[in-house]
Amino acid sequence: TQLLEQSPQFLSIQEGENLTVYCNSSSVFSSLQWYRQEPGEGPVLLVTVVTGGEVKKLKRLTFQFGDARKDSSLHITAAQPGDTGLYLCAGRDLYNFNKFYFGSGTKLNVKP
Amino acid sequence: DSGVTQTPKHLITATGQRVTLRCSPRSGDLSVYWYQQSLDQGLQFLIQYYNGEERAKGNILERFSAQQFPDLHSELNLSSLELGDSALYFCASSVEGRGGVDEQYFGPGTRLTVT
Repeated sequence: TQLLEQSPQFLSIQEGENLTVYCNSSSVFSSLQWYRQEPGEGPVLLVTVVTGGEVKKLKRLTFQFGDARKDSSLHITAAQPGDTGLYLCAGRDLYNFNKFYFGSGTKLNVKP
Repeated sequence: DSGVTQTPKHLITATGQRVTLRCSPRSGDLSVYWYQQSLDQGLQFLIQYYNGEERAKGNILERFSAQQFPDLHSELNLSSLELGDSALYFCASSVEGRGGVDEQYFGPGTRLTVT
């Protein structure tokens, strides 16, 4: 079982639509990261959120860390085909900063 | 290009065999992480080294071992291979591995197929 549950697992939308991906856990994390991974490549870091309630924006992407530092969301506005990929959240262990727990990912397909 | 290199890119081997995966971190990074990505399970943290010392261990099987050498490259050894070990193995590196917002940079991965 995954410590971090992501939903939805799959998402297929039209270009221009908005979407939200959720990353939930019953555990508290010291920080949470979001990555995007394309087929045949390693994950690429998008953002790190550290403080409970923190909101970060990266162009059309908005990331939020839950107040209790147990969950996070990623919202994409006006999705584009270039946003297609696997989105992964990763929580940093509260007691051992060198351990990370990854969610199983959300596979996003944005159709032109 | 993250600056992290992994070799080989692909590896096909038989059950019961032993293989070694190699990772070179980004220049200046002291910390190396190993992950396994299977089709249905996402990324699983295996082990982390900082400047040659093991600092954190995840769900790494006893058949697997790793080390980080004085030149900071790392090797992941997988032995008595089983069909279920088929997966993508990723290495990531970071500057310190000491917490905060220290970022991990992932290599392109090694795809291991056990037949």
